[in-house]
Amino acid sequence: DIVMTQSPDSLAVSLGERATIDCKSSQNLFYSSDNNNYLAWYQQKQGQPPRLLVEWASTRGSGVPDRFSGSGSETDFTLTITSVQAEDVAVYYCHQFYDTPYTFGQGTTLEI
Amino acid sequence: EVHLVESGGGLVQPGKSLRLSCRASGFTFSRYWMHWIRQAPGKGLVWLARISADGNKKTYIDSGTGRFTIFRDNADNMLYFEMHYLRDEDTAVYFCARSSSAWASLDHWGQGTLVTVS
Repeated sequence: DIVMTQSPDSLAVSLGERATIDCKSSQNLFYSSDNNNYLAWYQQKQGQPPRLLVEWASTRGSGVPDRFSGSGSETDFTLTITSVQAEDVAVYYCHQFYDTPYTFGQGTTLEI
Repeated sequence: EVHLVESGGGLVQPGKSLRLSCRASGFTFSRYWMHWIRQAPGKGLVWLARISADGNKKTYIDSGTGRFTIFRDNADNMLYFEMHYLRDEDTAVYFCARSSSAWASLDHWGQGTLVTVS
């Protein structure tokens, strides 16, 4: 199985500051035939289901504010939140859909 | 608007079986792959199974093979998940989610249904 490892486990930032979450995959998630990285990021607020933030490593999901951005390729990926807002308090997960079983990182808790 | 609504959770004894349902609306259900994912209390996300848009292809997490069954009814826009020989460690919120293809992100999730095995 592909192991996804996020860092840090938790992160405290002040309002308006930048937050950066890293995700490392145990296998290359880049598929050369379509030039895509099979990596997504989700946000899960307390008591809610996950919400897709970023897919294909860097494509923002529908309706996602542009302060959220994804980067990286192959085995190393980053979710960046520029100018963190109070409503961004949540747990963030990376997810690989390159191979089954699909797997998720352990989650990173963002606090203000 | 896309809606996925799970049901069927509750308190169940160890060793028993349970069938979860997921009602889809707001999109052409028969064009999407569907998945089940669970989250134990205070823990992370674990993908369990997926089913192709036409229902002919199914994939399970290794630990679920033989104990879990995913199936769908495209005429009724329904997704199902059966679990057998339930164990304490199956206690979790179970989510259904959709993807646009076999290898795509999970772009919409239901609210989840809680299964408690005790």
